[in-house]
Amino acid sequence: DAGVTQSPTHLIKTRGQQVTLRCSPISGHKSVSWYQQVLGQGPQFIFQYYEKEERGRGNFPDRFSARQFPNYSSELNVNALLLGDSALYLCASSLEGVHTDTQYFGPGTRLTVL
Amino acid sequence: AQTVTQSQPEMSVQEAETVTLSCTYDTSENNYYLFWYKQPPSRQMILVIRQEAYKQQNATENRFSVNFQKAAKSFSLKISDSQLGDTAMYFCAFMKQWAGNMLTFGGGTRLMVKP
Repeated sequence: DAGVTQSPTHLIKTRGQQVTLRCSPISGHKSVSWYQQVLGQGPQFIFQYYEKEERGRGNFPDRFSARQFPNYSSELNVNALLLGDSALYLCASSLEGVHTDTQYFGPGTRLTVL
Repeated sequence: AQTVTQSQPEMSVQEAETVTLSCTYDTSENNYYLFWYKQPPSRQMILVIRQEAYKQQNATENRFSVNFQKAAKSFSLKISDSQLGDTAMYFCAFMKQWAGNMLTFGGGTRLMVKP
């Protein structure tokens, strides 16, 4: 079975632009979470979605938004990009999005903002 | 809010030897879960081991084991018989019970296994 997939692998944008990152969960998984990992740091939680509804939000500005589609794939959108948004963006999927689940991570999208 | 601290930015170990990675956390919760994740250069985060806070017995997974000290809020990872493939970043992470499955990660420890 395919694992969590993310696209694109790498992305270069300039300040002020907007970006959309995509994630496809493991088949049968209904929950998707997004994390931002700045170089040299641990990942930070951005959003969790379950059954197309937001279940959790981390401490990120409103420039960050996400959604989940009926097929459980998800998009993360970042508007008005800042240099500080340069990071590896990780997507993780799990069955029900609860504490008993195991989360499986994708390979990430490397975003560079110039 | 929860915080997770990994005080060893980098560590190295000889192949076949044992190494212990440290992690401390701060929380007011009584029911929670702790994890160690491995992130090799390929970037994909892989779950190594998981510990439920209500369980007194330390979790083990083959060559990986933890020393969970709830009162001290300490959660160290021991890797026995280290292999070259264990070279990676290791992250300690915390999850509250009944709060979705949001993970709070530490800053990571870079482990180098030397031949």
